Parts: sequence; C-alpha cells; structure tokens
Amino acid sequence: EDQVTQSPEALRLQEGESSSLNCSYTVSGLRGLFWYRQDPGKGPEFLFTLYSAGEEKEKERLKATLTKKESFLHITAPKPEDSATYLCAVPRNYGGSQGNLIFGKGTKLSVKP
Amino acid sequence: DVKVTQSSRYLVKRTGEKVFLECVQDMDHENMFWYRQDPGLGLRLIYFSYDVKMKEKGDIPEGYSVSREKKERFSLILESASTNQTSMYLCASETGYEQYFGPGTRLTVT
Repeated sequence: EDQVTQSPEALRLQEGESSSLNCSYTVSGLRGLFWYRQDPGKGPEFLFTLYSAGEEKEKERLKATLTKKESFLHITAPKPEDSATYLCAVPRNYGGSQGNLIFGKGTKLSVKP
Repeated sequence: DVKVTQSSRYLVKRTGEKVFLECVQDMDHENMFWYRQDPGLGLRLIYFSYDVKMKEKGDIPEGYSVSREKKERFSLILESASTNQTSMYLCASETGYEQYFGPGTRLTVT
C-alpha cells in the first residue's frame, strides 16, 4: 500500500537551533516528492518538488533532499516565522492518473525566540 | 502566481441542510481536487476532476458530490449536512503534480 510517514509529529526549536524533518515513503516508481508549508487556518503553500535521489532544493533557511526511500527538510538557523506545519506528499500509483497525491500527516514546527 | 479562491472562509450550517462550497482557479489547470483536513487525520481526498463534467471518487466520497461545469470552477456539495462533516475543506488546482491550494473553508455543522 502506498504510504507517506512524517516524523517527528511535533518539533520545538530555539531560534537558531538547526534541525531536520523526515518524510519516508513506500510508493514504487516515484514520480516526485513535494513539500508544503501550512500556517494555522490556511491552505498548504507549495515549497519544493524533488524528482530523483540525490536532488536538493533550497529556499532561504530550508533545504530539501531526497534519497530512494525518504526525504529530509533541513532547517538552518530557524526563526520564529518558520513556525508552521510542514507536509510532504507523493503521487500515488493510481492507474496512471497524475496529480493524485498521498499526504503525510505533517510535522508541526515551533520556533521560540 | 496561481490563484485558487474558495467562496467562504467560515460557514455555519444546520444538520440536514444542503451545502455548496465553490472553488475557482485562474490558471487554466485541468485537474482540481477537494480535500478535508481534520486534526490527527491529515488531508483526505474527497473527489477530484480531470476535465469539465468529469469526476472521480477519492478516499472518502460518502456524503459528498461534486460538479464541474466550467474548467475554472469545481464545486463540492454536501447533500444533507451532518455534524461529522464539520471540518476544514480545501480545494486545490494542479499542474505537473504540483498542487496549489485555496485558503480553505472552515465548515461547522450544528
């Protein structure tokens, strides 16, 4: 069964304390892995797409990496405004139809000043 | 920038009412999706559509229907609202597997 698991469920950091979030998946024939940020009461905001093992993408203090079984979202010297829930998703194997994503349950990041 | 809008941010309805949630995207995307999001359960797919007048069931279609009469508009219908449909409803538009979400509608059924 296609599955996406994120860990930890919640992460509390002090401002400036770097860390990583994990997203592991069990879908065959990966057609991309997607990271989103979601602020409370709002829709998810697209961050990154990764397509192949070894690929990396960066945006400000965030860097996403991909291996054959998992992805990491590295947060370097985080600030309070980085506090949000981070979601990852992969396309499911669904009769070849594109766009149908499986989402993980997310990691809720809190950064204290 | 992709813009996805939803008709209401907050909605309160009574049990048994028929509820319409509308979603509009401005990027000419063919694929559109409706999710609900609940604490501890994450995002769950209700219905999706790959073309006008075309729809497919997602993981939790029971109690819902959809309509797509125009490419830019995808509506979610709760035929007879129940309290267990109280949730955050999110619409998304997609291109190349990248989904862009609207702001969400917080629906409360009393």
